[in-house]
Amino acid sequence: EVQLVESGGGLVQPGGSLRLSCAASGFTFSSHWMQWVRHSPGRGLLWVSRINAEASSTHYADSVKGRFTISRDNAKNTLFLQMNSLRAEDTAVYYCSRGGSYSDYWGQGTLVTVSS
Amino acid sequence: DIQMTQSPSSLSASVGDRVTITCRASQGISNFLAWYQEKPGKVPKLLIYAAYILQSGVPSRFGGSGSGTEFTLTISSLQPEDIATYYCQKYDTPPFTFGPGTRVDIK
Repeated sequence: EVQLVESGGGLVQPGGSLRLSCAASGFTFSSHWMQWVRHSPGRGLLWVSRINAEASSTHYADSVKGRFTISRDNAKNTLFLQMNSLRAEDTAVYYCSRGGSYSDYWGQGTLVTVSS
Repeated sequence: DIQMTQSPSSLSASVGDRVTITCRASQGISNFLAWYQEKPGKVPKLLIYAAYILQSGVPSRFGGSGSGTEFTLTISSLQPEDIATYYCQKYDTPPFTFGPGTRVDIK
């Protein structure tokens, strides 16, 4: 059974940083593209970033480019999202998902709240 | 970047009704279009990819069509468990933009 479990969310002040993790199991993690998608109340779903299986190619939404970095550790079956210079508008539930285009499996999400 | 729109933004229909949601892309995206269902408090679920291919396990009352700039999600016979917000997503090239969503309620 495919499982994706996010962690690392929490309350952070504007301008602060957080690192999200996503532990994957139930499939060959090192063979799949992975993505981050967020859901903000009133704003719906926003695609954030994706990374290829070899970690040699990454893409970002314009709204997070230069502030967020996606990475992965295939030996530990873990996906990461380093978030710097956080803004109030980054407040959302962050989901990791499997896929490099559409997402066929999603984690339960981790809540990030950016507020002073 | 390509923008995605959906109509209507919300709808209310009776059990058994046929429901149609439209998704439009500001430029052609061939058939690189997915549909997701998000129930309140739940994780988004992939329903359809490549505009019309039903994801494994999704009930056959869900169907997708379209290509280029206009796409449709159809629920042939609305059921109470279909109460949710439905999103389209384009995935031809990044950014993989989602539509704003269509909320479906039971009348």
